[in-house]
Amino acid sequence: DQQVKQNSPSLSVQEGRISILNCDYTNSMFDYFLWYKKYPAEGPTFLISISSIKDKNEDGRFTVFLNKSAKHLSLHIVPSQPGDSAVYFCAASANSYNFNKFYFGSGTKLNVKP
Amino acid sequence: GAVVSQHPSRVICKSGTSVKIECRSLDFQATTMFWYRQFPKQSLMLMATSNEGSKATYEQGVEKDKFLINHASLTLSTLTVTSAHPEDSSFYICSALVSGNQPQHFGDGTRLSIL
Repeated sequence: DQQVKQNSPSLSVQEGRISILNCDYTNSMFDYFLWYKKYPAEGPTFLISISSIKDKNEDGRFTVFLNKSAKHLSLHIVPSQPGDSAVYFCAASANSYNFNKFYFGSGTKLNVKP
Repeated sequence: GAVVSQHPSRVICKSGTSVKIECRSLDFQATTMFWYRQFPKQSLMLMATSNEGSKATYEQGVEKDKFLINHASLTLSTLTVTSAHPEDSSFYICSALVSGNQPQHFGDGTRLSIL
């Protein structure tokens, strides 16, 4: 059972525009959420995280939004750059449930066109 | 900071060979290390969780006698794929965690190809 879902396998965006990547989860016990970026043949690189006590966290061009009632989080990249082209994974964990275990979505491949 | 080194990056070997993959946290002590497997165009599949000095916890469907995990110190975990077969060919990635509500930091993965 996939507890974290990324329903868009790919996204194409023009350079300079906003990229919005979406993620849905089913387990209400999740209280910590993260986004990772992954290039081919490399391990994922941590981008940004958010705790369930917040609904927004911003770091430079990256902002993560959390909507707990909808069990939905999104990653906004503004402005998008060609170097942002990669696969983006969202992940979730719950301190009170399977401590430290991260549940990953299936990834969204972002292509930023010059 | 938070660098995780995984070695080797690529292994090609014959069927029946056992392969050891190392995962090291270079600049921090990891209370927990994780081993994942990634199939083409799919997500990361957690194989097992290991804590230093204790037995690894394997996910359902992962054979613990096939995938031996040793976490001998706070900076080193190893995954040994025993008697590897072509169906074991995959991309294996480790990650390390300092404590809860912190990001896992990933190694660069090992591409294992069994002929």
